[in-house]
Amino acid sequence: QLLLQESGPGLVKPSETLSLTCTVSGGSISSSSYSWGWIRQPPGKGLEWIGSIYYSGSTYYNPSLKSRVSISVDTSKNQFSLKLSSVTAADTAVYYCARPATTGVIDGFTTWGQGTMVTVSS
Amino acid sequence: QSALTQPASVSGSPGQSITISCTGTSSDVGGYNYVSWYQQHPGKAPKLMIYEVSNRPSGVSNRFSGSKSGNMASLTISGLQAEDEADYYCSSYTSSNTQVFGSGTKVTVL
Repeated sequence: QLLLQESGPGLVKPSETLSLTCTVSGGSISSSSYSWGWIRQPPGKGLEWIGSIYYSGSTYYNPSLKSRVSISVDTSKNQFSLKLSSVTAADTAVYYCARPATTGVIDGFTTWGQGTMVTVSS
Repeated sequence: QSALTQPASVSGSPGQSITISCTGTSSDVGGYNYVSWYQQHPGKAPKLMIYEVSNRPSGVSNRFSGSKSGNMASLTISGLQAEDEADYYCSSYTSSNTQVFGSGTKVTVL
């Protein structure tokens, strides 16, 4: 059974960089052509796709966040990571990592991590 | 990119059918058969209910069905049950090689 687990600091200061890691278990991040995505949800608000990556390194980002986002993959650790720079209070949210149901697409996330709350505050 | 448009709320009585709409453009919903629907209960991660417009993942009740016409996709819940009360989100692949979620719909079982 594929499991995803987010990890990282729960509190980040304004203007600093938010860094999160998603550890994949029950399957190899590089064994097939699945994409791996990050999604966030501010308190009381809707879902926002941040970006996705294939194990080959191809990345796709939300245009509204593109200038501040970087997603990378570490196949040796079976992990993929998110970095979001110059954070503000508006970046306070639950951050999820997820994988789609089918290969070769960046939509239709069927496997989700439990989510991790990140608060931006001094 | 703008969020797909969903009604803020939809309600129905147990046993009834309800439909949630998701309106986009020809650059997303109307242009591709990559529309998904998610159910989210409070404090929980979203659960995929429909992908690629009308496909149900294994384990999802056949009371949930999806369709699309032009730039609008729809999720129908038939035989509404108390456990269906949740927030529902649509999403779509876009022509910019990105993904966009809908604004979300709160379903209330009366």
